[in-house]
This record gives sequence, C-alpha cells and structure tokens, in this order.
Amino acid sequence: GAVVSQHPSWVICKSGTSVKIECRSLDFQATTMFWYRQFPKQSLMLMATSNEGSKATYEQGVEKDKFLINHASLTLSTLTVTSAHPEDSSFYICSETNSAEGKTQYFGPGTRLLVL
Amino acid sequence: GENVEQHPSTLSVQEGDSAVIKCTYSDSASNYFPWYKQELGKRPQLIIDIRSNVGEKKDQRIAVTLNKTAKHFSLHITETQPEDSAVYFCAARRPANSGGSNYKLTFGKGTLLTVNP
Repeated sequence: GAVVSQHPSWVICKSGTSVKIECRSLDFQATTMFWYRQFPKQSLMLMATSNEGSKATYEQGVEKDKFLINHASLTLSTLTVTSAHPEDSSFYICSETNSAEGKTQYFGPGTRLLVL
Repeated sequence: GENVEQHPSTLSVQEGDSAVIKCTYSDSASNYFPWYKQELGKRPQLIIDIRSNVGEKKDQRIAVTLNKTAKHFSLHITETQPEDSAVYFCAARRPANSGGSNYKLTFGKGTLLTVNP
C-alpha cells in the first residue's frame, strides 16, 4: 500500500478568496500525482495530472488559471483554488502512483471545500 | 479517449447473498483495471485490481473477471456483509506513456451497494 495525506480535511471560505490544498506522500516518492474533484453522489472527475518539476497537464474544461497546481518535490503537490465561488464547493482528492507496485494509484483522504 | 460504463448504479442485496457489478470499456489498449470502494465521506480504497494478462483474480470474498475480447470486467462479492455497503467504482487505464496516458485512470460512475442485514 501507500500512505497519502491531505491537508486541510475541510475548509470553509468566503467567495472570492483562494484556498490551498496540500497532498503529501508519506512513505514513497511520487513522480506523478493526480487531482480529482467529486460532487455529491457522482464519480471522480480528473482535473489534472501533476508531474514533479514540470507543468501540470489539465483535463479538458478545467481552467488552469483557476486551479493552480504546484508539484515542487517528490512528496508534495499543492492545488490552489483561486477566487473561489460557491460552484467550486466540492470534495477534492489527490492520488499518487507507487512505482514499486506497478503504478497502483492510492488516494488521499480528501478535502471538503465549502465556498459561501 | 477511454469511456467506462458501469452497471447497475444501485444494487441492494440481502446479507449473505452475492453481488455482481459490471463495467465495459471502450479503449482496447487499456490493460489495467482496478476497483475502488468508497464509504460515505471517505477516500476511495483499492480493493482489487486485474491486469490484461490474466482473466480472473480472487482475494477472499472478492473476485474480478476480465474479458478482453468483449472489453468488459466484473466485480464479484460473495457472502456479502453489511460492512460491504459502499459505493464501488471501476476504472480502466492505458499502458504507461501510450497516447498521453501518464497512468491516469478513467472511472465508471459508481455503484451504490446496500447490504441489508
């Protein structure tokens, strides 16, 4: 298995503010991290793929200037939701692949964002 | 790109019965198929996976079958227990570095499994 942590676990913010979410791999080095968004009773929607030391690759329809991703080290990736609006309220989950297990993907505990 | 269809969207069974969830995929190049279990408000947890070089894999009460020709795979849970109640997601993935894959998974829409005591 693998241990992936995420911080904060939940956040409430006012509309127009920015929120930073951290994703850390605690027991292995992750060259690739993924950021997902999950709305209630829906599936996981991939937002972007984050590669250490390079720019993130965003999925179609995801605004790269609104969802800033930084993967500065092999153990930390951050997602910043800029100028958050109520429609950005969602469950944000990161995941990482473990090379030692054939690139099995493990998920962080998620961050529940509520924008008022 | 890959498209994964999952059925049924909801499934209710009696404790002790078996549960089967089915998925189809569109990309014949996909070669890795994991299943995740997600309890309410928690992270998805990998419960079993299968690669395209095998047709079946079993882990205690859980098994997964893969039919590459038909491009479908299924999750089988036997002797279900109330704690099996959760949302189950199937997913598919192309080989690494093929067609811009970069190991990303395409998920099905999920199946809400309810096991009644």
